[in-house]
Amino acid sequence: GIQVEQSPPDLILQEGANSTLRCNFSDSVNNLQWFHQNPWGQLINLFYIPSGTKQNGRLSATTVATERYSLLYISSSQTTDSGVYFCAVENSGGSNYKLTFGKGTLLTVNP
Amino acid sequence: ETGVTQSPTHLIKTRGQQVTLRCSSQSGHNTVSWYQQALGQGPQFIFQYYREEENGRGNFPPRFSGLQFPNYSSELNVNALELDDSALYLCASSPRTAYNEQFFGPGTRLTVL
Repeated sequence: GIQVEQSPPDLILQEGANSTLRCNFSDSVNNLQWFHQNPWGQLINLFYIPSGTKQNGRLSATTVATERYSLLYISSSQTTDSGVYFCAVENSGGSNYKLTFGKGTLLTVNP
Repeated sequence: ETGVTQSPTHLIKTRGQQVTLRCSSQSGHNTVSWYQQALGQGPQFIFQYYREEENGRGNFPPRFSGLQFPNYSSELNVNALELDDSALYLCASSPRTAYNEQFFGPGTRLTVL
């Protein structure tokens, strides 16, 4: 099945710093989503971005489907940005009904 | 617009028991998927339901089963609970089976003792 690798696994920042999270995937995809998992476990949708670039406030994302990677940018980070960020993809192949998740990036933003 | 809801929030069971988890899909969504998230891992796909039938299944044993009802809500049933079944169970709904954004509920945290 499709493989999803996220980097870095852990990231510690000071408030106000910028960061880039990366997601590499091993096959073509129909769908790519970025999520933020809050401390209570809920997955919050950040971006639905199978290709191209999107921005939402301090967050933006770019997916280059032909090169099989996506980037999530967080600017002027805040302590509330702390948590785990997941990339998840829907394979273009036979199993295109499910999301395959990476292992996540644990972001800690210190005041 | 009502989001995805799940019940119960937390559940404690003992090994060998059976459990039923419930999910109500977001308004306008006809597809429900279930995921299991072990501590420190990303969610793993269990199965998907569409039009009250299983539309796809991940690498989980038959003791994991599900249902979808005419109102698109869904249940996840796990029989003969094992210690390794302790996890966060997430339900996601979407407007169709593929090529679309999935929206997740808050999850049910199951502890098996």
